[in-house]
Amino acid sequence: RKEVEQDPGPFNVPEGATVAFNCTYSNSASQSFFWYRQDCRKEPKLLMSVYSSGNEDGRFTAQLNRASQYISLLIRDSKLSDSATYLCAVNEFSTLTFGKGTMLLVSP
Amino acid sequence: GAGVSQTPSNKVTEKGKYVELRCDPISGHTALYWYRQSLGQGPEFLIYFQGTGAADDSGLPNDRFFAVRPEGSVSTLKIQRTERGDSAVYLCASSSRLAGGELFFGEGSRLTVL
Repeated sequence: RKEVEQDPGPFNVPEGATVAFNCTYSNSASQSFFWYRQDCRKEPKLLMSVYSSGNEDGRFTAQLNRASQYISLLIRDSKLSDSATYLCAVNEFSTLTFGKGTMLLVSP
Repeated sequence: GAGVSQTPSNKVTEKGKYVELRCDPISGHTALYWYRQSLGQGPEFLIYFQGTGAADDSGLPNDRFFAVRPEGSVSTLKIQRTERGDSAVYLCASSSRLAGGELFFGEGSRLTVL
């Protein structure tokens, strides 16, 4: 099974800051990409899908760079409630492979 | 409820015992996945069912692990001769083709092997 790599963090940022996470994947044949959010001791939940053209959902922007095989997540105007672990996931042959996650801590 | 349901939510067992973990997926979801997540790690793929058959079981760590989905709905993950290293949260997820690849996870079964 191919690799999906993330910086584990934690990223400590103040409220209102902009923070970005990257995730690299090794399988160039991967077709679809996702960011999941996981709160402490909870299950992962889909944050957003990542499209080739990039996509934005409110304060969150996701981008895909196929040539360099990485996806990114940008969070603007961070809120305390954004504190969580962010998992990137790559679809390979109908299964999702997850990275280890990047922890974000937003402080007042 | 309408989500993925997993039981038990917590299971404590002794080394060498047999354990069964149950997953009830979202109604109508044909795809069902089992993942294992250890502290500080991302979910690790174990097995994937499409309908009743295991389409990909390449993530099962060894032959002590087995999963079934006899009627294409509820699935059971079975672990024989448990070892301390099996301690983790076992996550079940389901999806449908209409969901665009999104996996919907249950809250997980936390297994502790003493």
